[in-house]
Amino acid sequence: GEDVEQSLFLSVREGDSSVINCTYTDSSSTYLYWYKQEPGAGLQLLTYIFSNMDMKQDQRLTVLLNKKDKHLSLRIADTQTGDSAIYFCAETSPRGNLIFGKGTKLSVKP
Amino acid sequence: NAGVTQTPKFRVLKTGQSMTLLCAQDMNHEYMYWYRQDPGMGLRLIHYSVGEGTTAKGEVPDGYNVSRLKKQNFLLGLESAAPSQTSVYFCASSQTSGADTGELFFGEGSRLTVL
Repeated sequence: GEDVEQSLFLSVREGDSSVINCTYTDSSSTYLYWYKQEPGAGLQLLTYIFSNMDMKQDQRLTVLLNKKDKHLSLRIADTQTGDSAIYFCAETSPRGNLIFGKGTKLSVKP
Repeated sequence: NAGVTQTPKFRVLKTGQSMTLLCAQDMNHEYMYWYRQDPGMGLRLIHYSVGEGTTAKGEVPDGYNVSRLKKQNFLLGLESAAPSQTSVYFCASSQTSGADTGELFFGEGSRLTVL
């Protein structure tokens, strides 16, 4: 079945780059997503990448997709304390609903 | 524009009690979802709906029922609550499915504790 794996924790210093990694199983996923959850809130879409793309850049965010290895990464440049949150990777199931990973908690130290 | 609103935000139940969580969206979205979030488990899909009058089972549907009588509302019911249903519940909606960049809009969550 579909499965999305990501590490649970990442700690970085303010100003450094953060890289959050994810592996997925469904090679037929049309889109792959990154969602962000701030404390006490629901998830919000951060960015997504179409499956025929290798890279997508949006300001401080860079998404890299390696379809061969089914590996997705999110790089946050110049990480700020406001980036502290849980980041979820998600793939699309054959039924069209999203399958989320367990989330990576990013802690940014001043 | 309120987006997705969940009520109640907090609830404490005793084992065996029943309750209903209400989700309302004002974006005229076709798709609605109920997820539960547990520590170390991420988000797991309970039930979802692809339109008014339709419902479908997700990954963890046992012990829950849902109804989508109106397009804007999606109700999640617990007929006989169990401690294993202690969780944070999130409702989400989208205009299209995930296969079409269907961005999910989430509510703020409902924290349920079953004693």
